[in-house]
Amino acid sequence: DIQMTQSPSSLSASVGDRVTITCRASQGIRNDLGWFQQKPGQAPKRLIYAASVLQSGVPSRFSGSGSGTEFTLTINSLQPEDFATYYCLQHNRYPYAFGQGTKVEIK
Amino acid sequence: EVQLVESGGGLVQPGGSLTLSCAVSGFSFRSYWMHWVRQAPGKGLEWVARINSNGGGTSYADSVSGRFTISSDIAKNTLYLQMISLRAEDTAVYYCTRDFDSRFGDLFDYWGQGTLVTVSP
Repeated sequence: DIQMTQSPSSLSASVGDRVTITCRASQGIRNDLGWFQQKPGQAPKRLIYAASVLQSGVPSRFSGSGSGTEFTLTINSLQPEDFATYYCLQHNRYPYAFGQGTKVEIK
Repeated sequence: EVQLVESGGGLVQPGGSLTLSCAVSGFSFRSYWMHWVRQAPGKGLEWVARINSNGGGTSYADSVSGRFTISSDIAKNTLYLQMISLRAEDTAVYYCTRDFDSRFGDLFDYWGQGTLVTVSP
């Protein structure tokens, strides 16, 4: 099975900061990776698919990069509504696997 | 408007059974693969199972294989998850979500609101 290692597990940041979250796959997954945002009591929301394609309606301050085993989600100029938990997902092969999550908190 | 609405959650004793439903509308159910994803209280997301668009192919997480069965009724636009031999560690919010074409990353764009399953004596 493919394991996804996401880091950090949490971070504190201020409004306006640039934030970077990383996911590492235990084996190559091409660009079969998505990024999701989840707020308390809500279902996850897709931000990025195919590693770097921005979901329609998602602000351009969100961006994704990477291929193979190393992937990054970057949030430029963090906004108050961005404080949430973020997950990566590999869908290269079954069983699909999410990263452990990164909780972005207000500093 | 695309909608996925889960139901069927509740309190069940260890060893018991439960069947979850996910009623979909606003898109062509027969054109999508469908998945269940769960989230234990205070924990991360866990992929559970998938079914292809014609119901002929399924996959499961190791943690539920042999105990859970995913199925669909295209005529009723409804996805199901039959769960037997439930354990305390199956306690979670269960979400359904859709998958148009995972080869191009086009999956998990819409989710239901989730239904809570609690396994406890």
